[in-house]
Amino acid sequence: QSALTQPPSASGSPGQSVTISCTGTSSDVGGYNYVSWFQQHPDKAPKLIIYEVTMRPSGVPDRFSGSKSGNTASLTVSGLQPEDEADYYCCSYAGSSSYVFGTGTKVTVL
Amino acid sequence: EVQLVESGGTLVQPGGSLRLSCAASGFTFSSHSITWVRQAPGKGLEWLANIKQGENDKYYVDSVRGRFTISRDNGKNSVYLQMNSLRAEDTAVYYCARDFFFYIDVWGIGTTVTVSS
Repeated sequence: QSALTQPPSASGSPGQSVTISCTGTSSDVGGYNYVSWFQQHPDKAPKLIIYEVTMRPSGVPDRFSGSKSGNTASLTVSGLQPEDEADYYCCSYAGSSSYVFGTGTKVTVL
Repeated sequence: EVQLVESGGTLVQPGGSLRLSCAASGFTFSSHSITWVRQAPGKGLEWLANIKQGENDKYYVDSVRGRFTISRDNGKNSVYLQMNSLRAEDTAVYYCARDFFFYIDVWGIGTTVTVSS
């Protein structure tokens, strides 16, 4: 169960878009349409922002969107806001009731 | 409101044991699997274990299998994580979270475990 690979950092100016990749294998990301994304502000618990690859929970702005192609999932944050500065983690179901998280990406709003 | 509250985190010596608790409210507890996730200082998230609704189906990541035991009491709306043979690398914030059928949705605020002499 190796962690999914994410870039360590990403950045953009307010109003711009940033896309974060999440690369796994056919045993996790590529094998299931159960990729989710979490936003984590410093010293806070993670918050679900995308589930089942593309779905947004109620209350999450539509600036957040998800996609997947093969073994790689992506999160796009459009129209960056200062409050979007946070760590972002992808997560994939990996079979047998297990999950695997990504390595995490720190998003900086310039 | 769906809520999960962890407790039991503290300073423990290497080789020691600790039992974490997770109290749930605001949803039909017995209908959901519950997961434990941890985050070492300055590090990423690591899935640890999952227990199904029926209390008997349990799953673990390789790094804790045999040392950690997950359990639940549906009558008390609670899940537990018994941690034995603790090591310095087990130092982390431990979160419990609701497993909403193939994705994790609601998280607790976490409880801090420090393994040090």
